[in-house]
Amino acid sequence: KAGVTQTPRYLIKTRGQQVTLSCSPISGHRSVSWYQQTPGQGLQFLFEYFSETQRNKGNFPGRFSGRQFSNSRSEMNVSTLELGDSALYLCASSSERLSSGANVLTFGAGSRLTVL
Amino acid sequence: AQTVTQSQPEMSVQEAETVTLSCTYDTSENNYYLFWYKQPPSRQMILVIRQEAYKQQNATENRFSVNFQKAAKSFSLKISDSQLGDTAMYFCALYPTNAGKSTFGDGTTLTVKP
Repeated sequence: KAGVTQTPRYLIKTRGQQVTLSCSPISGHRSVSWYQQTPGQGLQFLFEYFSETQRNKGNFPGRFSGRQFSNSRSEMNVSTLELGDSALYLCASSSERLSSGANVLTFGAGSRLTVL
Repeated sequence: AQTVTQSQPEMSVQEAETVTLSCTYDTSENNYYLFWYKQPPSRQMILVIRQEAYKQQNATENRFSVNFQKAAKSFSLKISDSQLGDTAMYFCALYPTNAGKSTFGDGTTLTVKP
């Protein structure tokens, strides 16, 4: 059974550019969550999608957006990149909507973004 | 709002010894779950152990066990017979059933020394 796949694994961008990250959940998992991991801020929740709908959103500016497709694959986009956006972006999937019950998060390896 | 506090940024332990990682949390919810996740160096984060708040019995998974003190809002992780492969960053996480998201602590970096 394939795990959670995130692409790309590494990328370098410059300030002002935009970036799109992709996440393919475990087959059958319909909930996908995104987290930003930085040394200073730990893991910060970005958003959660279930059945193509954003159900929860963290405290991030509107430059951070996401979507989920009918096959449960999810993308997140960051526009007008800032130096502070440099981080490891983690995607996690679970087998049911998080708010319906606590399911274990299965994480991907992450996409490490460096903004120069 | 939910908060999770891990007061030990770094810890070390000798191989084969026992170590306890601390975690305290705060939530106004009655129904919630607590987790410990492990993130080895340059590797994916994986679940170590899970505890349902309504269960008084402490969860155990092989060498990993928790001490769940609901009244004190404390959820510590004990690793027995530490192995080199236990070297990782450990995150405590809180999931209130009605919140729809997990809140993580800042992590504890554990180094197991040979």
